[in-house]
Amino acid sequence: EAGVAQSPRYKIIEKRQSVAFWCNPISGHATLYWYQQILGQGPKLLIQFQNNGVVDDSQLPKDRFSAERLKGVDSTLKIQPAKLEDSAVYLCASSKPGLATQETQYFGPGTRLLVL
Amino acid sequence: DQQVKQNSPSLSVQEGRISILNCDYTNSMFDYFLWYKKYPAEGPTFLISISSIKDKNEDGRFTVFLNKSAKHLSLHIVPSQPGDSAVYFCAASEGGSSASKIIFGSGTRLSIRP
Repeated sequence: EAGVAQSPRYKIIEKRQSVAFWCNPISGHATLYWYQQILGQGPKLLIQFQNNGVVDDSQLPKDRFSAERLKGVDSTLKIQPAKLEDSAVYLCASSKPGLATQETQYFGPGTRLLVL
Repeated sequence: DQQVKQNSPSLSVQEGRISILNCDYTNSMFDYFLWYKKYPAEGPTFLISISSIKDKNEDGRFTVFLNKSAKHLSLHIVPSQPGDSAVYFCAASEGGSSASKIIFGSGTRLSIRP
């Protein structure tokens, strides 16, 4: 079974530029998450999708960050304009919906963003 | 406000000995706890979990202990092996479904010495 795919793996941009990250979840996983992991910290949830609907975007800085999952499969996270403090690893994860306590989120390798 | 805290940024253990990673939480509504392992340039991978109705869960060399009154959990790895060298994240959620938001700690880097 293929894992969560993300691209690009690395991106360097200057502040005030825009950038977009792409994620393709595991086939059949209806729930998709974007996390931001700043160096020395744990992953922080930015947005959670159930199919193509947003479940939780309470920690997404909506003035500069946007995300979409138009067809309920792959997703794009955009930052416009980028700030220095956006330098981080952006992780995408997916899971099957359900109530089983043993279900977990499967993470992609992440996109490492450096804003200069 | 950090709801999940891992106060030891790093830990070094000799191969074959026991590794003990600690985690504290502040939100009494958390009822499901997880440990993730992360290698460099990879995403975190699920390691082991525990529900608040239990105080121990074991999976091979890995055991997680939960002390609800102290709001503390720990991960024991015995015996420690070189492949265990990684960053370990403690995480917690309200509810154990995949729809539950997971709150991560800042991680502990475990190094296994030969």
